[in-house]
Amino acid sequence: SQTIHQWPATLVQPVGSPLSLECTVEGTSNPNLYWYRQAAGRGLQLLFYSVGIGQISSEVPQNLSASRPQDRQFILSSKKLLLSDSGFYLCAWSVPGLNTEAFFGQGTRLTVV
Amino acid sequence: AQTVTQSQPEMSVQEAETVTLSCTYDTSESDYYLFWYKQPPSRQMILVIRQEAYKQQNATENRFSVNFQKAAKSFSLKISDSQLGDAAMYFCAYRSAYSGGGADGLTFGKGTHLIIQP
Repeated sequence: SQTIHQWPATLVQPVGSPLSLECTVEGTSNPNLYWYRQAAGRGLQLLFYSVGIGQISSEVPQNLSASRPQDRQFILSSKKLLLSDSGFYLCAWSVPGLNTEAFFGQGTRLTVV
Repeated sequence: AQTVTQSQPEMSVQEAETVTLSCTYDTSESDYYLFWYKQPPSRQMILVIRQEAYKQQNATENRFSVNFQKAAKSFSLKISDSQLGDAAMYFCAYRSAYSGGGADGLTFGKGTHLIIQP
């Protein structure tokens, strides 16, 4: 069966520091991968998606970037965090070629102080 | 672009009763998928139920069922025999059937906070 792992679960970082959140998927090949952000009291906003190694599409211009160095690894990064980057970040995957549901990791709560 | 609207920020129901959560969406497409996700206090998003727009029959998963009204662009979730474990945020989500194999993700509503009264 497929599983998705996301870490760390919580993170407190000072303004101006770098960020690296990692997500890996097991039990499937060439998944579609996504990073979402959930601000307090809001729905989920798609930040990035990827259909393959090195292929990243950005949905929202921002202080963040994403990379996919391996087939089942998806990384969310920032060189210098802003206070507005605080939120709950969720990684997800879906079966390639099918417009069906996405399966989510457990999320990372990022607080920028 | 598609939009998803959940007009009920919060709903409350007595344990064992039935509750219906509302969702409307706006799209010009004829084929798409609709989902309800549950987000408990642990914050992990859990798929509750899925509906394919080309299917007229409403989806059902145990105590969870939907009322899909394509012409009205409405997709409500009914929870029967509510249990304390049903307490969570519930999100309605949309995905186009034409978006290149699911590459561009889901569009979510802002969620409904469901409270279960014991």
